[in-house]
Amino acid sequence: NAGVTQTPKFQVLKTGQSMTLQCAQDMNHNSMYWYRQDPGMGLRLIYYSASEGTTDKGEVPNGYNVSRLNKREFSLRLESAAPSQTSVYFCASSEALGANYGYTFGSGTRLTVV
Amino acid sequence: KQEVTQIPAALSVPEGENLVLNCSFTDSAIYNLQWFRQDPGKGLTSLLLIQSSQREQTSGRLNASLDKSSGRSTLYIAASQPGDSATYLCAVRPRGYSGAGSYQLTFGKGTKLSVIP
Repeated sequence: NAGVTQTPKFQVLKTGQSMTLQCAQDMNHNSMYWYRQDPGMGLRLIYYSASEGTTDKGEVPNGYNVSRLNKREFSLRLESAAPSQTSVYFCASSEALGANYGYTFGSGTRLTVV
Repeated sequence: KQEVTQIPAALSVPEGENLVLNCSFTDSAIYNLQWFRQDPGKGLTSLLLIQSSQREQTSGRLNASLDKSSGRSTLYIAASQPGDSATYLCAVRPRGYSGAGSYQLTFGKGTKLSVIP
């Protein structure tokens, strides 16, 4: 099925370790996003890429870096993981800014930092 | 800053009942509003999207309405079923400075719905 694919689905890291979360979409969408979801906080935007070749900070970018590898792929990197980064991470995509286009989300990556 | 509130945080209803979930937002300058469903441990599934120029959207047993002037949206679920049990999230896409949609959705914290057989 067409959609947004995230890998891995689960990950446990030790404090200070690094890792990259991968995201790919096959809907030819221009824009891609990384959100984190925490209990009581809702979903918050970490970084987004409006189009291939551009990236911008969202609400909570500290401790993260992103790469828009091509139109399909958008990765999120934790350089030195901290317990505060324990969360569920969602990648999403959308067709640019059209009012009749919504967001499509992946199934998430559950990350635990110990 | 746009804020989105969903009340109640949790709702339990018997099977077959019609129900309404509420979403309110503080800034009426929105581009569109989207309702999502999230099952435990899963991602978000889009249910309905309402453009700012629209008043409602329907899909099967679901009907979403939008009243921009009062900053409210409702999701109506008819003849609820146990399979409807999930958390329902409302997300607003603000209008950006250029008049086009902003890239950053603002989410409510959701309403957890339990439909009792």
